[in-house]
This record gives sequence, structure tokens and C-alpha cells, in this order.
Amino acid sequence: DAKTTQPPSMDCAEGRAANLPCNHSTISGNEYVYWYRQIHSQGPQYIIHGLKNNETNEMASLIITEDRKSSTLILPHATLRDTAVYYCIVRVAVGNAGNMLTFGGGTRLMVKP
Amino acid sequence: DTAVSQTPKYLVTQMGNDKSIKCEQNLGHDTMYWYKQDSKKFLKIMFSYNNKELIINETVPNRFSPKSPDKAHLNLHINSLELGDSAVYFCASSPRTSGGNEQFFGPGTRLTVL
Repeated sequence: DAKTTQPPSMDCAEGRAANLPCNHSTISGNEYVYWYRQIHSQGPQYIIHGLKNNETNEMASLIITEDRKSSTLILPHATLRDTAVYYCIVRVAVGNAGNMLTFGGGTRLMVKP
Repeated sequence: DTAVSQTPKYLVTQMGNDKSIKCEQNLGHDTMYWYKQDSKKFLKIMFSYNNKELIINETVPNRFSPKSPDKAHLNLHINSLELGDSAVYFCASSPRTSGGNEQFFGPGTRLTVL
């Protein structure tokens, strides 16, 4: 799997957009970018994933650069409940289930009032 | 109507004991997993089961054994508990269509070995 690099921590003001970067310069053509988050004392939660096109769902937007070497997760209007550790994972979406997810250190996002 | 549930939420036990953690999912998913999150907060895969067949087994001690009585359950049995087993254990499941990458996690079980 391609290695990912994320800043260890970030702050964001409540109501503002939170932009979380992830570098994955060794990503290969068939690897997807996945984002999960873990709110304190809870299990990780899937947010979004993409291959090369930008993606949006009810939780967030994912912007992937044209060369796919980096991406940004955008929470458009951060709330205090978005305070969590955000993990960027690069992984092939294989046909068989049982894919192993490798979680790195992630980015600790602190949303402040 | 919790999607992925684990019991117990907290487990405190003595070294050398044998214990089990239960996991159930009502999502109809094909694959279930166990993860361990240690005190440094790193989350590591331990096992996954697909259709009652172990398909991933990380280098965990054989004191740990997953048991799946049916597709909706994957229990974790731990024999001869050691201090280093203290951690939070998370169960997860995923549908076949996601290729295992979209996983749904349970609330975790905090195991403390004294």
C-alpha cells in the first residue's frame, strides 16, 4: 500500500471549512483514497473515498489532485462534533472482501467555538 | 438497532485468565474484522472472516482466536491473558460490494489486564 502523510494536528473555527490534507506521492493507479475518522472513545467511522474524481457526500468533500499524489478532505461547515482524529488511507479496492485497512497516525482536528 | 455491537464494553481481568469478547452485526455484511488499538492509539488489524472462513491473520499470538458461529457474529477468544493485551478492541464489518474498504466499526471493548 502507498504510504500516506498527514499533519499530526489542526485547529478549525466552528462554522468554518476544515481542510485536511493528505500526501500519497507513491499511490498507484488502482489505489483508492479513503478517509475515516475516530471521535474520542468511539470506533472509526467511514467518511468518503475516491479514485481520481472529486467526490461529495452528506458528510464531506474529497478533492484529489490531478496527479493523485495528494488529496484534501473538506468539512464545509465544521461543528464541535467534528472534533476527531481523521485518517487518510490508500488501498486497492479488491473484488474479494477482507481487505486489510492500515491506519496511520492521522490528523487530530480540534474544532473550536 | 445498533449496526455493529460488542459486549462487554469494559473488561477487567487478571493475568493468565481466558476471556471472550462478542461481536454482532445486523447489516447483513459478508466480512467481519477485529482490530486492536493500543495505548499509543495505533489501530491494527488482527483478523478478518469472510463466510466463516479466516482470510486474513496478522501476526498475532495464537492465544487469540476468532470464532464465527454464523455470518452475523465474530467473537474473539483470548487465552492466558498478558499485561500487553490491555487495549481497546474494535469489531468491524463490511459488505462484499465495497471490497472490504468501507468498514463499519463497533463501539469497542476496553480490556484491562491486571
